[in-house]
Amino acid sequence: AQSVTQLGSHVSVSEGALVLLRCNYSSSVPPYLFWYVQYPNQGLQLLLKYTSAATLVKGINGFEAEFKKSETSFHLTKPSAHMSDAAEYFCAVSEGYKLSFGAGTTVTVRA
Amino acid sequence: SAVISQKPSRDICQRGTSLTIQCQVDSQVTMMFWYRQQPGQSLTLIATANQGSEATYESGFVIDKFPISRPNLTFSTLTVSNMSPEDSSIYLCSVEGEAKNIQYFGAGTRLSVL
Repeated sequence: AQSVTQLGSHVSVSEGALVLLRCNYSSSVPPYLFWYVQYPNQGLQLLLKYTSAATLVKGINGFEAEFKKSETSFHLTKPSAHMSDAAEYFCAVSEGYKLSFGAGTTVTVRA
Repeated sequence: SAVISQKPSRDICQRGTSLTIQCQVDSQVTMMFWYRQQPGQSLTLIATANQGSEATYESGFVIDKFPISRPNLTFSTLTVSNMSPEDSSIYLCSVEGEAKNIQYFGAGTRLSVL
């Protein structure tokens, strides 16, 4: 079964600093990988997806992620954090139509 | 992407009662999914609902506790039956988009059971 592991349950960054959220996957076949964001009291919003095309994937709100097969990683980055980036972020992998989510990383942004 | 509406957005219920959550999509979709997000935890798939067939439940979830209806291609309901405080969670509906393997989520139903 495919799975993802998110390293770090909580990340705190200063406004304007780099945001780096780590995700490693386990898959026996080329995976489809996703990052979702959940703002307080809201549902999940798709940030970006990797579907075996370009290894560097650009998403919404200035986020991007790089698929590295050699490291089985799909880390999410944003060069400059904004206060509005405070949320919980989930990495997910699909196995057919099923999504398996990581445990989530909560991001707080300090003024 | 699809627009997904869930009702109610939140509710507080007494133990032993049941709550039905509705999920409405603005376009016809084949597959709809129901997830549970327990406090401080990630999402767990409860079941997959296809129109015209019985829902497929994941390990640890049973139809008697979480009956699901899927009467047409734009609507589904999830009922949480005989609730206990352990059922306090966020319940989310999702649908598969036009691109395979990509799911879009509703805003969720925040359920508290007293």
